[in-house]
Amino acid sequence: DGGITQSPKYLFRKEGQNVTLSCEQNLNHDAMYWYRQDPGQGLRLIYYSQIVNDFQKGDIAEGYSVSREKKESFPLTVTSAQKNPTAFYLCASTITGGVQETQYFGPGTRLLVL
Amino acid sequence: AQSVTQLGSHVSVSEGALVLLRCNYSSSVPPYLFWYVQYPNQGLQLLLKYTSAATLVKGINGFEAEFKKSETSFHLTKPSAHMRDAAEYFCAVSDPGSASNFGNEKLTFGTGTRLTIIP
Repeated sequence: DGGITQSPKYLFRKEGQNVTLSCEQNLNHDAMYWYRQDPGQGLRLIYYSQIVNDFQKGDIAEGYSVSREKKESFPLTVTSAQKNPTAFYLCASTITGGVQETQYFGPGTRLLVL
Repeated sequence: AQSVTQLGSHVSVSEGALVLLRCNYSSSVPPYLFWYVQYPNQGLQLLLKYTSAATLVKGINGFEAEFKKSETSFHLTKPSAHMRDAAEYFCAVSDPGSASNFGNEKLTFGTGTRLTIIP
């Protein structure tokens, strides 16, 4: 079955620690996205990538970093510079990144701060 | 820049009653519009989308939405609510014009409406 997998389902971060969230897709999609979801705020775009080895900042990129070394993988690192990281993180992909395309979402990773 | 407003962060309807979830958008050009559904602790799933074809769009699970340019609205409806419809619903907008401006191919989401079904 094709789809998007995110791991882990729950992640705990200690103060000053960097953590990395995994996102893998086997849909052969070119474009991938990372969103942050907070209660009552909807989804906010962190980073997106339309092709391998290229990515752009979204609306709330500060304190986050990404890489796109392979078409199927788009990991997100939450750095210690992100002072309020507790949220639900969602990864998505589209075929080519066109604005009319359906976004396919993974099941999400919930990040909690210890 | 486009924006989306979802009126009512929480909506409750009785089982079998009409579901109406409101979405108004702001865009400088006729936009593409989407409704997504999210069940607890899961990702989002597309319900339906409008991409400048028919203004009445039918989606999955019996939902439909009508694009009304004069009202800048894209409200989601279902004639008869079912218990399994309890979820959070997000309206989203993208700008067709941004396709030619690399770096602006973004989807803007509303803040969501949580739908509760009363037995």
